[in-house]
Amino acid sequence: QKEVEQDPGPLSVPEGAIVSLNCTYSNSAFQYFMWYRQYSRKGPELLMYTYSSGNKEDGRFTAQVDKSSKYISLFIRDSQPSDSATYLCAMLRSDYGQNFVFGPGTRLSVLP
Amino acid sequence: DAGVTQSPTHLIKTRGQQVTLRCSPKSGHDTVSWYQQALGQGPQFIFQYYEEEERQRGNFPDRFSGHQFPNYSSELNVNALLLGDSALYLCASKLRGLAGSDTQYFGPGTRLTVL
Repeated sequence: QKEVEQDPGPLSVPEGAIVSLNCTYSNSAFQYFMWYRQYSRKGPELLMYTYSSGNKEDGRFTAQVDKSSKYISLFIRDSQPSDSATYLCAMLRSDYGQNFVFGPGTRLSVLP
Repeated sequence: DAGVTQSPTHLIKTRGQQVTLRCSPKSGHDTVSWYQQALGQGPQFIFQYYEEEERQRGNFPDRFSGHQFPNYSSELNVNALLLGDSALYLCASKLRGLAGSDTQYFGPGTRLTVL
């Protein structure tokens, strides 16, 4: 079993839809959770970062963490064609650590 | 302010050859990490350098080695290339000792193809 599981998609939605992206993990030592967006042929770009269970909102993006279920989500409201990218979840055991463990990513297409 | 830069953008090698990839960290950063991202997969941590020494290492063989220079730039070397080494190689930089995973920035990557 992989440490971090993520549905690879692809996921296609119409413009304006609410998108839900999810990851599950097996290691309860993970304490820090990130969502990255990666456009084709580019490096990952940090979208959201959180370390506590509950919700964190930033504009159209909401990150949700449920440590008891080992489950994290990213919600995108009012999705735009420019949101079309691969979304990677990532986790860390320590905030000073560098050994990020990434999920395989979900490809999202937002259709105009 | 220049972000993380990597060179070359693309590289094609044949099996058994050796390759060197380069990374310049974001201005003000002193810590560099390298990741391998195979097609359709998330990045996998290779190793991290600061103060010119390897500090952490992921599950990669000794064929993967690195170096950090006094100006904080870094090289990733891969010897005896295998077909499975074909991937996007990402460099990330941050300022050591600064907590918060939102302080790490990724470069655009070098796409390595091994034939």
